[in-house]
Amino acid sequence: DAEITQSPRHKITETGRQVTLACHQTWNHNNMFWYRQDLGHGLRLIHYSYGVQDTNKGEVSDGYSVSRSNTEDLPLTLESAASSQTSVYFCASSEFGTSSAEQYFGPGTRLTVT
Amino acid sequence: GEDVEQSLFLSVREGDSSVINCTYTDSSSTYLYWYKQEPGAGLQLLTYIFSNMDMKQDQRLTVLLNKKDKHLSLRIADTQTGDSAIYFCAESPSGGSYIPTFGRGTSLIVHP
Repeated sequence: DAEITQSPRHKITETGRQVTLACHQTWNHNNMFWYRQDLGHGLRLIHYSYGVQDTNKGEVSDGYSVSRSNTEDLPLTLESAASSQTSVYFCASSEFGTSSAEQYFGPGTRLTVT
Repeated sequence: GEDVEQSLFLSVREGDSSVINCTYTDSSSTYLYWYKQEPGAGLQLLTYIFSNMDMKQDQRLTVLLNKKDKHLSLRIADTQTGDSAIYFCAESPSGGSYIPTFGRGTSLIVHP
C-alpha cells in the first residue's frame, strides 16, 4: 500500500545544530508540503513543492530549507536550530487536479531544541 | 484574505451527538474537507463535500454546508470515546494554488 513516512519520529537537538527531517512518499504525488503544528496556531505551512526541482516558501519559512531531487522525497533542513523551532512537524502530499486539496499526512516528527 | 474559523474545544458525553462548526471566507472553494487527527498521529481525511451540495451523510457522519453563510458543520451521531480527536476543517485552494486553508482545529473530548 502507498504511504508517507517521516523520520525520525522524535529528535532532540541543541541550539545552533543543523537538523534534517526526512519525508518519503510512495503515492507518486507531485505536490509535497511541510507544516509545523503548535498549540494555538494550528498547522502552519513551512515550504512546499509542486515537483522535482521546484520549491516554494510558505508562511513560516525563515530558518528552514527544502530540496526536491526526486518525486518521493522532500527533506526539511533547519540550518541552525533555535528553541522557537521546537514543534511537531508534518509532511503531506497531494496530487494535481481537482482533488488537490486532499492531502495525505505523515505521522509527524516531534522535534525538541534545547 | 482567506480564513477558516473553528471553536477550539467541544466536550460531549458518550452516546450523544457532537456538532463541530466551521466558517470560511473563500466563496470560490470547490470542496470543503474535514480531517481527523488522533493523538500522536498525522491528519487523516474524514470526509468532504462538494460546494454544490447541501448535505452529505456517511454512516455516523453528517456534513452540512450553508454556502450563503459560508458555514460548514460536522455532526457525529452516537459519539464514542474513540471519536476523541482534533477535527480540522479545510477549504480547497483557489486561484491556481494547491494549498488548502486549514482551520486551527477543534479538540473533541468524549467523556463517559
